[in-house]
Amino acid sequence: NAGVTQTPKFQVLKTGQSMTLQCAQDMNHEYMSWYRQDPGMGLRLIHYSVGAGITDQGEVPNGYNVSRSTTEDFPLRLLSAAPSQTSVYFCASSYSPRAGNTIYFGEGSWLTVV
Amino acid sequence: DAKTTQPNSMESNEEEPVHLPCNHSTISGTDYIHWYRQLPSQGPEYVIHGLTSNVNNRMASLAIAEDRKSSTLILHRATLRDAAVYYCILSNAGGTSYGKLTFGQGTILTVHP
Repeated sequence: NAGVTQTPKFQVLKTGQSMTLQCAQDMNHEYMSWYRQDPGMGLRLIHYSVGAGITDQGEVPNGYNVSRSTTEDFPLRLLSAAPSQTSVYFCASSYSPRAGNTIYFGEGSWLTVV
Repeated sequence: DAKTTQPNSMESNEEEPVHLPCNHSTISGTDYIHWYRQLPSQGPEYVIHGLTSNVNNRMASLAIAEDRKSSTLILHRATLRDAAVYYCILSNAGGTSYGKLTFGQGTILTVHP
């Protein structure tokens, strides 16, 4: 049971490049989400999904796309990277989006856009 | 969305109890109170959660005020490994904020040997 797995752990991009951050969970969780964390700040929600085929925007969705074709995977796509997207990205999952369920976080992906 | 207020930082000595406060005066009746912590260079980790009654687990205790407008995370004996940022988060069971977590700045806990 690997939990929530994110790849890559570190990435450097040039402005304008695109890339995909991968997230996979093996706990059969319906609810998955992506957060970003800027230095010295708390996490902010980018996108979330309440099940395969269903996604919705969070607090800071601009510049990011997501899709959820399977229960296990929830990739985050940066369409045209900008220096403002330099951040640490965390993927999270839980059995249910209802309150009271434990949310499991991945170890993070450190992204630098130059 | 209901918000939480926490002190920016707190300090403790090793093996002493730590009480981390959280104010949530606009909490709704369907909001759970969650505590997560984040160690340096790691993702947040679940600590404890509750709705109305006090809760205990192997990591900590959660004391919830009778009016639910505040809560306190209690680490019974702090260790150096407890040094982290602690987040108090409200999670709405329904409505338009369905399933969404809103992180604040959290409390930086420093534990002295």
